[in-house]
Amino acid sequence: NAGVTQTPKFRVLKTGQSMTLLCAQDMNHEYMYWYRQDPGMGLRLIHYSVGEGTTAKGEVPDGYNVSRLKKQNFLLGLESAAPSQTSVYFCASTGNSAGELFFGEGSRLTVL
Amino acid sequence: SQQGEEDPQALSIQEGENATMNCSYKTSINNLQWYRQNSGRGLVHLILIRSNEREKHSGRLRVTLDTSKKSSSLLITASRAADTASYFCATAPGSARQLTFGSGTQLTVLP
Repeated sequence: NAGVTQTPKFRVLKTGQSMTLLCAQDMNHEYMYWYRQDPGMGLRLIHYSVGEGTTAKGEVPDGYNVSRLKKQNFLLGLESAAPSQTSVYFCASTGNSAGELFFGEGSRLTVL
Repeated sequence: SQQGEEDPQALSIQEGENATMNCSYKTSINNLQWYRQNSGRGLVHLILIRSNEREKHSGRLRVTLDTSKKSSSLLITASRAADTASYFCATAPGSARQLTFGSGTQLTVLP
């Protein structure tokens, strides 16, 4: 049982490049989330989805886009990476809004 | 802005001692959750306490919730070196579909 899987685990980008982070869950969860974690700031919500085909903005959505074309996948895109987007990104899912979140292992992104 | 804030930011204790971490939040909540994060890993759910509950236990963990003070505490009894990790509280506001996390408490248990 894989749970929540994030790919890639590590990536280095140059300023202005684009990339997509993939999150896949095999628990048939409706709700999926992308957070970023920076030192001393805890986790901040970027975007989330309450079901296939839906997305919504979180606390820090600027510079990111998301898509939920399939229930099991939630993609996070950076169209033009900036050094301020250097962070560790976590995907999470849950079957119950406001319920227990299941997290992936994180994707460490460095933008030079 | 973050809903929950943990206190202290860092805590260092000896193995066998109890560790207490506190969380304060700002708005009314549906529930409050505690998570643990080992260095370089994802967060793992520890315990959830609903707004109509005052105390909850799970193994060596004891969580209390005081909605009048908008605060919660996590007690880890008889700590072990393996409990060394960051601990986060997360709140689910009444009508929201998302959890908001605090900045965490870094717990170090010395053998």
